[in-house]
Amino acid sequence: GENVEQHPSTLSVQEGDSAVIKCTYSDSASNYFPWYKQELGKRPQLIIDIRSNVGEKKDQRIAVTLNKTAKHFSLHITETQPEDSAVYFCAASMDDYKLSFGAGTTVTVRA
Amino acid sequence: NAGVMQNPRHLVRRRGQEARLRCSPMKGHSHVYWYRQLPEEGLKFMVYLQKENIIDESGMPKERFSAEFPKEGPSILRIQQVVRGDSAAYFCASSRTGSNNEQFFGPGTRLTVL
Repeated sequence: GENVEQHPSTLSVQEGDSAVIKCTYSDSASNYFPWYKQELGKRPQLIIDIRSNVGEKKDQRIAVTLNKTAKHFSLHITETQPEDSAVYFCAASMDDYKLSFGAGTTVTVRA
Repeated sequence: NAGVMQNPRHLVRRRGQEARLRCSPMKGHSHVYWYRQLPEEGLKFMVYLQKENIIDESGMPKERFSAEFPKEGPSILRIQQVVRGDSAAYFCASSRTGSNNEQFFGPGTRLTVL
């Protein structure tokens, strides 16, 4: 099955700085890569996703890049704000529905 | 439009008891997924169901665990004879279609086995 590795496990940034989270996947057949944000005790919520026919996607302060050759994808958050503090999960799907999640990155934005 | 609903939000069971977790998908969604999240870990896929059908249960333990999504009513994840290792957060998600369509998650059920 698919194996997704996520780094770093924790990330502390100063408010206004950028945060970058990187994920690698094992199966070259994976073709859908969503990112979820989970606040403490809350449900995971989709913040951005990318499909394998696209190399980059941006939505305001959030962007995701995908390198199919290297089998890795990254989340970039610019101009971080305190409300960006949460756990972020990357995921990959090769079966059109089964999401394989990374272990998560705890992001703390320092005021 | 209400989101994915799960109940109960918290469930405490003693070893050997049964746990029943319920999930109502978003309106218009006929695809349901169950995931398990252990403390400080990512979500692990358990099972994918459509109305009255189990499509993929490859992530579900072979024994004690079962899932259903009847024609009427919520999807049910049932854990028989619970053990301490079953303690986790169980999340349900739903989507409109099953083809890499956005999965919307419910608030989860936190199961504690004493």
